Parts: sequence; C-alpha cells; structure tokens
Amino acid sequence: NAGVTQTPKFQVLKTGQSMTLQCAQDMNHEYMSWYRQDPGMGLRLIHYSVGAGITDQGEVPNGYNVSRSTTEDFPLRLLSAAPSQTSVYFCASSPYSSGSSYNEQFFGPGTRLTVL
Amino acid sequence: SQKIEQNSEALNIQEGKTATLTCNYTNYSPAYLQWYRQDPGRGPVFLLLIRENEKEKRKERLKVTFDTTLKQSLFHITASQPADSATYLCAVSWGYSTLTFGKGTMLLVSP
Repeated sequence: NAGVTQTPKFQVLKTGQSMTLQCAQDMNHEYMSWYRQDPGMGLRLIHYSVGAGITDQGEVPNGYNVSRSTTEDFPLRLLSAAPSQTSVYFCASSPYSSGSSYNEQFFGPGTRLTVL
Repeated sequence: SQKIEQNSEALNIQEGKTATLTCNYTNYSPAYLQWYRQDPGRGPVFLLLIRENEKEKRKERLKVTFDTTLKQSLFHITASQPADSATYLCAVSWGYSTLTFGKGTMLLVSP
C-alpha cells in the first residue's frame, strides 16, 4: 500500500491564482481530512469528509473548497490564492465508520505552498 | 471554545532518562486523546490513543495517562534515545468527526 499520497510536494503561486492540491489513499478509509500547519499555530482542520459525497467544514475553511466523488480521492481547491494561505498542507485518512470509535489518522507527506 | 495546551518550550533530556510531555485541555473531557510524532518535513505519525474511560495506555517504551479531573494527559518515553528526538503532538476529539491538535512540544534527547 502507498498509504496517503499528496501532490505536488512544493508549489509557488501568485496572488489570485487558483490550484488544486491532490490527495489519494489506497486503504479504503471512509474519513479524509485536510489540515494546514503554520509555525506557532499547530495543525488546523480545513475540511473533512466522512465518506464519498459528504464533506464538512473544519476550523479554517474560508478560501478553500473540497469535494469527495470517490472514497480514494479528496482534492483541496484554492479558489484565489492569498499570501495568508502560505503554509504546509497535510491530508489525512482514517478508517472511520459509523458507530465505531474514532481511529488513528494516517497523514500524507505534505504539500509546501508559497503564495507570493 | 475548546483549547489544547502543550508546553511550547523544547524539552531537553539525556539519553536513558524518561521524557514526560504534557497536554492540557479546557472545558469538558474529550472522548479520545491521541499522541502523534512529527519529524521535520514529514507528516505526523500516530503513536497512541486513549479513551476517556481509560487511565493509562502502554506501547513498548511509551505510556500515556489520562486524568479527567486534572484535564490533562501525560506522555512518557522511558529509556529515551536520540532517535526519539522529534515534535510530539497531542490531539483531542470532543465530537465524533474532528480532531483538534495542540501546537506540539519538541523533544531533544542528547547522547
């Protein structure tokens, strides 16, 4: 298993540009999430999904969109990049299932994004 | 709002000693508390999970305690090694679908 994969590893954008950060997992996990990590701020939840077709907002959703058309993929879209979105983005998945305990999360290697 | 606090100062210890990291939370007790390890430039890696009705959990040299009276979890690494040097994150679940992470504590183990 490849686990959780993220592309690209690094990206530089200009203010106002849009882009999609890709995330895929091959563990058949129902739960997937996106976090951003900034110095001194820790990991903050952007959006999450408990299954295909279901998404919800986390702590810092503004400026980001997500969709979940398949179990495997959970892309994160930046609609109009701003310098405040410069960060390291992590995707994670978990074998969440209704009625069971919340489980460990498996993280991807991260995407380092710089917005100029 | 719910908050998690981890010591922002790095913890420096000597090899062979026990490292103890602290995670404090506010308001009501979480359903679960998890600990992760993060190395520079890498994603966090899960270490241990403890539920609100559990007092202690162990895995090899790792031990986690959960004190709902003190609103605190302690994470211990016994017989620490330089390879244990990393940032350790505490994560708490108050609801069913989301985890809230602390800012992490850096551990430095010197030979």
